[in-house]
Amino acid sequence: EDQVTQSPEALRLQEGESSSLNCSYTVSGLRGLFWYRQDPGKGPEFLFTLYSAGEEKEKERLKATLTKKESFLHITAPKPEDSATYLCAVGGLTGGGNKLTFGTGTQLKVEL
Amino acid sequence: GAGVSQSPSNKVTEKGKDVELRCDPISGHTALYWYRQSLGQGLEFLIYFQGNSAPDKSGLPSDRFSAERTGGSVSTLTIQRTQQEDSAVYLCASSPISSTDTQYFGPGTRLTVL
Repeated sequence: EDQVTQSPEALRLQEGESSSLNCSYTVSGLRGLFWYRQDPGKGPEFLFTLYSAGEEKEKERLKATLTKKESFLHITAPKPEDSATYLCAVGGLTGGGNKLTFGTGTQLKVEL
Repeated sequence: GAGVSQSPSNKVTEKGKDVELRCDPISGHTALYWYRQSLGQGLEFLIYFQGNSAPDKSGLPSDRFSAERTGGSVSTLTIQRTQQEDSAVYLCASSPISSTDTQYFGPGTRLTVL
């Protein structure tokens, strides 16, 4: 069974204070690892897909990296508008379909 | 363009009643998914539709849950004889055939069973 564990559960940063969020996973054949952002009362918003170890993707202040066991979401010089819950998910090659297994998320708050 | 829409946004019902939740995917998207998000839990996969293929129902928690997709577009998730543990946010997502890995989510329906 695919599993995803995210840490920390919550993170409070000062504006400009860079940090990283962790996503550890076990999957029987990785089809892809996905990062989403979720604001309160809204559905998750797609950020990145990573397919193989060593791959990196960037978008504005966010950079996602992938190893065979975990992924990191690095946030450089965050701003208050980066405050949200960040969700990690994996899609496995077994089990059929494109269903994703999600972690419980890291709730990020960036303060002035 | 228009994103995934869901209705109602909020639903309060009494234990034992049936409810129907609706999802309108992005036009042209062939894949449609339903997930459930309970407080403190990760999103839980429920069911997946892809084109005209038989749906993947492996995530449905009990036979009280069912879903259909009419005309390859709109989907309805039905929960019969609702229980308090069914209270959650029900999220729908869709993805295009060109990028089946990228799922675009709707805003969800918050279901409260009293």
